[in-house]
Amino acid sequence: RKEVEQDPGPFNVPEGATVAFNCTYSNSASQSFFWYRQDCRKEPKLLMSVYSSGNEDGRFTAQLNRASQYISLLIRDSKLSDSATYLCAVNNNYGQNFVFGPGTRLSVLP
Amino acid sequence: DADVTQTPRNRITKTGKRIMLECSQTKGHDRMYWYRQDPGLGLRLIYYSFDVKDINKGEISDGYSVSRQAQAKFSLSLESAIPNQTALYFCATSDDGTGAGGYTFGSGTRLTVV
Repeated sequence: RKEVEQDPGPFNVPEGATVAFNCTYSNSASQSFFWYRQDCRKEPKLLMSVYSSGNEDGRFTAQLNRASQYISLLIRDSKLSDSATYLCAVNNNYGQNFVFGPGTRLSVLP
Repeated sequence: DADVTQTPRNRITKTGKRIMLECSQTKGHDRMYWYRQDPGLGLRLIYYSFDVKDINKGEISDGYSVSRQAQAKFSLSLESAIPNQTALYFCATSDDGTGAGGYTFGSGTRLTVV
């Protein structure tokens, strides 16, 4: 089993839809979790941290489920500009670096 | 100017050539990283460094070497490039071990080995 896995996608959704991505991780000792957004041929950019209690930033909500070892990202009222690949990142058990999932591609259609 | 700058942006090189990718940062971060990204495989860690005297191997360090010349500079070398090292390479920085601020990535170097 890979350390970090994501829904393979692609997700094709109409504007205004709500879409959710999951990311599972294998290391139960992981403490830090992030979602990144990556546009085609560009660098990943930090979208949001994922806190134990869950957190929200506008239309984006991130949640952590430690018991089942997954994090999720929910996007409400999707915009065309949300089209991108979404990467999850989980720190390794020594906290020295992050392991990234392969990414889930989202296309928001007009 | 970008916080994390990578040079070159694009490079085509021949098999067997030595090539160096450069990374510099103005964020004042101690921690620097080199990742490569391949379609379907995501970002994989090559090397990382927590200060000038510290170099650590990542998941896929074979065929690569690094040098941390200063806090702000971290270069990646391919001593004898081979075609399966064709990939998109990213340098990243972070502030401390808590990872509270996540990574800041450079804009990447697209390397093609022919």
